[in-house]
Amino acid sequence: GQNIDQPTEMTATEGAIVQINCTYQTSGFNGLFWYQQHAGEAPTFLSYNVLDGLEEKGRFSSFLSRSKGYSYLLLKELQMKDSASYLCAVMDSNYQLIWGAGTKLIIKP
Amino acid sequence: DTGVSQDPRHKITKRGQNVTFRCDPISEHNRLYWYRQTLGQGPEFLTYFQNEAQLEKSRLLSDRFSAERPKGSFSTLEIQRTEQGDSAMYLCASSFGAGETDTQYFGPGTRLTVL
Repeated sequence: GQNIDQPTEMTATEGAIVQINCTYQTSGFNGLFWYQQHAGEAPTFLSYNVLDGLEEKGRFSSFLSRSKGYSYLLLKELQMKDSASYLCAVMDSNYQLIWGAGTKLIIKP
Repeated sequence: DTGVSQDPRHKITKRGQNVTFRCDPISEHNRLYWYRQTLGQGPEFLTYFQNEAQLEKSRLLSDRFSAERPKGSFSTLEIQRTEQGDSAMYLCASSFGAGETDTQYFGPGTRLTVL
């Protein structure tokens, strides 16, 4: 079967750095996406990785290791507005997105 | 372009009633997706269109659910004889459908409550 695992909840302090991990087992791989979702709102695209390595976008970076079936999202200089759920999704061999359940990130002052 | 839009944003209905939701994708996007999401879960795939053709439908999707995209632009999702278990956020997304970087952009969603 296809499976995406990520922690249910994480807590971090404003101004700090947090790493949200995602492991996956899917039928084929055509890229990994990270989305941010604030409570009651729709997911917003953050990043896309298809090759191994680190992609940096401002305060957010995403890493991929295809051989390990592993990715992480790194958030630096945390702000209160970063409190949200972060969803990991993998595009399988049929170009369908397989979604994780999301990691709820709580930022404390 | 104002992004993906959905209407209505909220819908409250009684069990057994039919409901219809509308999605307007980003204008140059030819792929359109419908998802359902419940609290604490990721989006659950329902169906998707390439232009006006419905290419895939979730095997978990009941016959009470039907979707159309008649002219390859906006889409509608209808749920017949609603049940309390249908209460969820219904999300629409669109993408350019260019293959490898087929990033999906989401609308604000329609929150359905079935009483």
